[in-house]
Amino acid sequence: KNEVEQSPQNLTAQEGEFITINCSYSVGISALHWLQQHPGGGIVSLFMLSSGKKKHGRLIATINIQEKHSSLHITASHPRDSAVYICAVDVQFYFGTGTSLTVIP
Amino acid sequence: NAGVTQTPKFQVLKTGQSMTLQCAQDMNHEYMSWYRQDPGMGLRLIHYSVGAGITDQGEVPNGYNVSRSTTEDFPLRLLSAAPSQTSVYFCASSSYSPPYEQYFGPGTRLTVT
Repeated sequence: KNEVEQSPQNLTAQEGEFITINCSYSVGISALHWLQQHPGGGIVSLFMLSSGKKKHGRLIATINIQEKHSSLHITASHPRDSAVYICAVDVQFYFGTGTSLTVIP
Repeated sequence: NAGVTQTPKFQVLKTGQSMTLQCAQDMNHEYMSWYRQDPGMGLRLIHYSVGAGITDQGEVPNGYNVSRSTTEDFPLRLLSAAPSQTSVYFCASSSYSPPYEQYFGPGTRLTVT
């Protein structure tokens, strides 16, 4: 049983492409988090959202509470976006297994 | 602010040895947690704490102990290391009230031989 499902597991894109990573969850939540983990291991928080949409630069995160679904979009992808993107829900944090993104120049 | 610090960064243990992974945060966060990350498994919660003197088990607590004597520190103890505990360990902290943003330490890569 996995409370958080991410897709795709792996994604390769050409530089400049628009990228979408999806996250579906089965538990009630207070907030959903998108995290980024670079090779070398450090984890940083990209977004925390409980409704609607947030945007930071080329990254956009949306959430649909009724459908229990969130998406992370990267516009004009760049090789430096290559990382593992992890969806996590609520304070005690159920995690998705991550989406490994590689952006090719 | 240093954020969340973890020591050591790397550790090799022999089966049966014990050790403590240190975690400290300087953001006055109530909530602290330990996760392990294994290939293909994602992050899994080992133990967590919602404040000094309060700890509870997560998804995979067996073989680990924690204590929370201060708000700042949340050490993780491996009682008798086993090869199955080879993993990368992350400590994290957050406020226990919205907006719940979580901050992660840099991780400890542990190998048990």
